[in-house]
Amino acid sequence: IAGITQAPTSQILAAGRRMTLRCTQDMRHNAMYWYRQDLGLGLRLIHYSNTAGTTGKGEVPDGYSVSRANTDDFPLTLASAVPSQTSVYFCASSDSGQNTDTQYFGPGTRLTVL
Amino acid sequence: LAKTTQPISMDSYEGQEVNITCSHNNIATNDYITWYQQFPSQGPRFIIQGYKTKVTNEVASLFIPADRKSSTLSLPRVSLSDTAVYYCLVGDSSASKIIFGSGTRLSIRP
Repeated sequence: IAGITQAPTSQILAAGRRMTLRCTQDMRHNAMYWYRQDLGLGLRLIHYSNTAGTTGKGEVPDGYSVSRANTDDFPLTLASAVPSQTSVYFCASSDSGQNTDTQYFGPGTRLTVL
Repeated sequence: LAKTTQPISMDSYEGQEVNITCSHNNIATNDYITWYQQFPSQGPRFIIQGYKTKVTNEVASLFIPADRKSSTLSLPRVSLSDTAVYYCLVGDSSASKIIFGSGTRLSIRP
């Protein structure tokens, strides 16, 4: 069982370019999440989805968009990347959107915007 | 939103018991307290969760006083492999309100 996979592992991107970070889970979890983690800081929630077909904004949604066309995939798109979006991005999933659920995290994508 | 406050860092030695305290003065009635562990270059991993009193699993214990305004993660007999960042989370059932905070960087020395 792979759990959660993310792609790419790392990416260097020119400012102004469009980028999609991929996230796939095979646990049939209803809820999925995207976080960013900046150097020395904790994780901040960008967007989430409680179930396929629905999404919601987290703490820092500006400059990012998500879609949830099916249960397994939850891509994160940066329409026009800026240097402040340089960060490590983690995707996570849980059985439902409840805070009591354990979140399972992917290995992360290290993104550098120049 | 229930904000959490943790020490930025802690140091200890192998074989010692380590207690990390998290303050959450504004915790709501429906909030649970959850702790995650994060190793360098990895995503966080669930450790333990509780609502009140004491919870114990094979990894750690979680102590929550009656007023629930704080909680203490206890790691018995730590080893070098317990060196990590530990996050305390407090929240209700809304996914949009999950806040990790900055965590506590625990360093274990031989």
